[in-house]
Amino acid sequence: DVKVTQSSRYLVKRTGEKVFLECVQDMDHENMFWYRQDPGLGLRLIYFSYDVKMKEKGDIPEGYSVSREKKERFSLILESASTNQTSMYLCASSSINEQFFGPGTRLTVL
Amino acid sequence: AQSVTQLGSHVSVSEGALVLLRCNYSSSVPPYLFWYVQYPNQGLQLLLKYTSAATLVKGINGFEAEFKKSETSFHLTKPSAHMSDAAEYFCWTGANNLFFGTGTRLTVIP
Repeated sequence: DVKVTQSSRYLVKRTGEKVFLECVQDMDHENMFWYRQDPGLGLRLIYFSYDVKMKEKGDIPEGYSVSREKKERFSLILESASTNQTSMYLCASSSINEQFFGPGTRLTVL
Repeated sequence: AQSVTQLGSHVSVSEGALVLLRCNYSSSVPPYLFWYVQYPNQGLQLLLKYTSAATLVKGINGFEAEFKKSETSFHLTKPSAHMSDAAEYFCWTGANNLFFGTGTRLTVIP
């Protein structure tokens, strides 16, 4: 049974805090993704990674960074959280032509 | 670049009525096409996918979609809506394409 897990379902942080969102997959996938989901905007790609230590910017990378030190783990980092980063964050990993999603982390920045 | 367009960010149907969610793609070559569903407070899960084996694709929970090259469409349908179908639905072109549709929120009215 394929599985993508995210470290937190709900998270509340204050403006200026450094935030880590962790994602782990157990399918030995090379490709991993971070999206944010906002009402009316669908899923927007923040960063993705095709291999360990490899990262590529997506559509909206500003204010975010990522880390991929191990194949199974892809971390999203908010260096200094801001209120406009309040959102649902979805991690995914993919085999050829299919993406598998984690349950999401709803982040609120106060 | 491949992309998808979902027509209608909100669709409401009565319980027992036909469900029709629209997705059009732009591509010069036959794409892979997917529909994902997101139930409240959950991650995305695969509903069905088209990989050129058959133009009519059956998915889970009674949903199906038909690939129409002449119309560049891959609309999602279900003959009779259930209350449990209330969710957000996303169309995606797959492969290494990173673009999801903006999503269609389906409301089922008792």
